[in-house]
Amino acid sequence: GAVVSQHPSRVICKSGTSVKIECRSLDFQATTMFWYRQFPKQSLMLMATSNEGSKATYEQGVEKDKFLINHASLTLSTLTVTSAHPEDSSFYICSARATSGEFVWNEQFFGPGTRLTVL
Amino acid sequence: GESVGLHLPTLSVQEGDNSIINCAYSNSASDYFIWYKQESGKGPQFIIDIRSNMDKRQGQRVTVLLNKTVKHLSLQIAATQPGDSAVYFCAENMGADSWGKLQFGAGTQVVVTP
Repeated sequence: GAVVSQHPSRVICKSGTSVKIECRSLDFQATTMFWYRQFPKQSLMLMATSNEGSKATYEQGVEKDKFLINHASLTLSTLTVTSAHPEDSSFYICSARATSGEFVWNEQFFGPGTRLTVL
Repeated sequence: GESVGLHLPTLSVQEGDNSIINCAYSNSASDYFIWYKQESGKGPQFIIDIRSNMDKRQGQRVTVLLNKTVKHLSLQIAATQPGDSAVYFCAENMGADSWGKLQFGAGTQVVVTP
């Protein structure tokens, strides 16, 4: 159990276009999902906290109009990179925190990541 | 720990030896710590965790030590294997009112040599 998927795994787009990345918890419900960005040879940087049914909370320095987050159900959160530019090229990773039940308190499960390349 | 870095420190370990990876964290209010393993092009994989009311926890071939006095965390891997080659991150939960937000350390690249 506790599988998180991301789609797509890789995407290449032209500068100025928008890209949507999906994060799904496959076998558990997640009230909270997190979005991270990771540049090569660097650590994961938290971008935002996605809460089901409410607005996302963005970390300092992350533009909410640039990175649109929607958490419409307990198993799906989406990140849309709007008007993407080459500097947005990165590895985007989501994680999901189980609401309750069999999982360890506060344990987060990570998706496999999405490699975004903006030309 | 510091979450931004321009390069990853590297630990080179001979197969069969023990590995020790260190991490310094910054927030004295952090109450939960996790070690993750990340292979190239993949998401982080949970290894072991520890709560702030403990100072040691053991898993299969791995041990995490927590020293709250100096805000230091370490991961010990026994009998390191080639499959252990990866980047290892420590992460700290930023406290009870942080909705489970994690801050990741800079990471350590572990290279296992035959």
